[in-house]
Amino acid sequence: AQSVTQPDIHITVSEGASLELRCNYSYGATPYLFWYVQSPGQGLQLLLKYFSGDTLVQGIKGFEAEFKRSQSSFNLRKPSVHWSDAAEYFCAVGGDSWGKLQFGAGTQVVVTP
Amino acid sequence: GAGVSQSPSNKVTEKGKDVELRCDPISGHTALYWYRQSLGQGLEFLIYFQGNSAPDKSGLPSDRFSAERTGGSVSTLTIQRTQQEDSAVYLCASRGQLNSGYTFGSGTRLTVV
Repeated sequence: AQSVTQPDIHITVSEGASLELRCNYSYGATPYLFWYVQSPGQGLQLLLKYFSGDTLVQGIKGFEAEFKRSQSSFNLRKPSVHWSDAAEYFCAVGGDSWGKLQFGAGTQVVVTP
Repeated sequence: GAGVSQSPSNKVTEKGKDVELRCDPISGHTALYWYRQSLGQGLEFLIYFQGNSAPDKSGLPSDRFSAERTGGSVSTLTIQRTQQEDSAVYLCASRGQLNSGYTFGSGTRLTVV
């Protein structure tokens, strides 16, 4: 069965500092991996996705993520956060099929001045 | 359309009433997904459509929940005899290609009073 673990429920970071959000997955076949962001009262916006190829993936809003198969991880990073990055971030895993995405519990990011 | 459209955006209903939630996916997207997001439960998969058929209904929590999709486009999620525990945000997503992300709508916030 597929599963996703986001170990950090809540992260506080200063504006301008770097951010790393952790994601570990369990999946029996080739995983498709995603990061989504959700601002209050909004739907989910896709930040980036990994299907194959280069394990360092660039996304929107200056985010990147690195797929490490040996560690079953897909951590999200941003070198310098902005106040507008305050939101909830979800990691998700799916397979190379049309089926559902399995989401992690999410990490709430708070940005302080 | 340009994005996934969900209606209504907010719905307040009395316990025991039936409700219908609508999802209009991106034009041409054959796959459509329903999720539920509630406090403490994260993002729960409900059902997935490929065209008009539903290969995976495993997430529907009870027989009070049903969904249909007609014409390979619009989908309706129906909840009969609503209960307070049905209060949540119901999110719809669609997907056009295997190597694309899942595009989410803004959701319907359902409150059962």
